Amino acid sequence: QKEVEQDPGPLSVPEGAIVSLNCTYSNSAFQYFMWYRQYSRKGPELLMYTYSSGNKEDGRFTAQVDKSSKYISLFIRDSQPSDSATYLCAMSAARGSTLGRLYFGRGTQLTVWP
Amino acid sequence: GAVVSQHPSRVICKSGTSVKIECRSLDFQATTMFWYRQFPKKSLMLMATSNEGSKATYEQGVEKDKFLINHASLTLSTLTVTSAHPEDSSFYICSGGAGGSTDTQYFGPGTRLTVL
Repeated sequence: QKEVEQDPGPLSVPEGAIVSLNCTYSNSAFQYFMWYRQYSRKGPELLMYTYSSGNKEDGRFTAQVDKSSKYISLFIRDSQPSDSATYLCAMSAARGSTLGRLYFGRGTQLTVWP
Repeated sequence: GAVVSQHPSRVICKSGTSVKIECRSLDFQATTMFWYRQFPKKSLMLMATSNEGSKATYEQGVEKDKFLINHASLTLSTLTVTSAHPEDSSFYICSGGAGGSTDTQYFGPGTRLTVL
């Protein structure tokens, strides 16, 4: 079993829809959870960063972490065509200046059509 | 803030030659830098972790003599693909660990390597 599981999609939604992206994981030591957005042929861009369980909101984006279920989600409200990208979840057990290794999901390819 | 640059963005080389890719943290000091490889429609595969002034730690299955990593300063790390072959063609991405209150990695834009 891979440490981080993520449905690769593709996911196609109309503009304005609410998008739900999810990842599950197996390592209970993971404490730090991130969502990255990657446009084609570009490096990943950090979207959301969450520590431990709970919700975090930033504009149209909401990240949720449920450590008891080992399940994380990213919600995108009022989706726009510019949100079309691959979304990668990532997580880490360690913190500090010697940053711990990140474990990535496969990424979910999202297309928002006008 | 937390911007990472990579150079070159794209390189095409002949089989057997060596290619150097630079990764710079522009507005923060990256004590730790990471090098990843990404195949089409696949996730990021960690190749190695480097701490400034120390030898890089390579992931299992990554040839350290083929992928030379140097992290000479807090803002610069380089990856040299030695004696490149077509199977080394890939998208290489670096990241820097910013530390502090947001301990995560900030990624460069990537380098597309094509070996003919």
